[in-house]
Amino acid sequence: NAGVTQTPKFQVLKTGQSMTLQCAQDMNHEYMSWYRQDPGMGLRLIHYSVGAGITDQGEVPNGYNVSRSTTEDFPLRLLSAAPSQTSVYFCASSWDTGWGQPLHFGNGTRLTVT
Amino acid sequence: GENVEQHPSTLSVQEGDSAVIKCTYSDSASNYFPWYKQELGKRPQLIIDIRSNVGEKKDQRIAVTLNKTAKHFSLHITETQPEDSAVYFCAASGGSNYKLTFGKGTLLTVNP
Repeated sequence: NAGVTQTPKFQVLKTGQSMTLQCAQDMNHEYMSWYRQDPGMGLRLIHYSVGAGITDQGEVPNGYNVSRSTTEDFPLRLLSAAPSQTSVYFCASSWDTGWGQPLHFGNGTRLTVT
Repeated sequence: GENVEQHPSTLSVQEGDSAVIKCTYSDSASNYFPWYKQELGKRPQLIIDIRSNVGEKKDQRIAVTLNKTAKHFSLHITETQPEDSAVYFCAASGGSNYKLTFGKGTLLTVNP
């Protein structure tokens, strides 16, 4: 299994541009989520999904959209990039939301918005 | 919503010493408390977790304690080694991975 795959690894955007961060998992996990990591801020939940067709907002959802059309894929869309969205983005999945299920993280996408 | 405070933000110890990282949480309904380790430039990985009906859990050199009354939990690493150097995150949720709230992290440096 490849686990959780994120693309791209690095991206530079200009303010106002849009883009999609891709996340795919091949473990048949029901739960998928997106976090952003900023220095001194830890990991903050953006959006999450408990199954195909079901998504919900996390702690910092503004400026981001998600969809979950398949179990495998959970893309994160930036509608109009802003410098405040410069961050490292992690996608994470687990078998389900049951206790004791470790989150499997992807390798992250480092995004810079100028 | 849940708020998780983590201390200290940085911790430096000598190899072989013990390290303790403490977290407090605000939501008394939280019942799942995992700890993640993130090495430089890598992804976070689960190292240990505890549920609210357990007061302590050990896994070799790592242990976690939970005080539900005081709403705080701690990570203890004994006999530290240089490979323990990393950022450690605590987290809390009302139900396993569902909307996990992370602390801001502790940079642990183990000096040889």
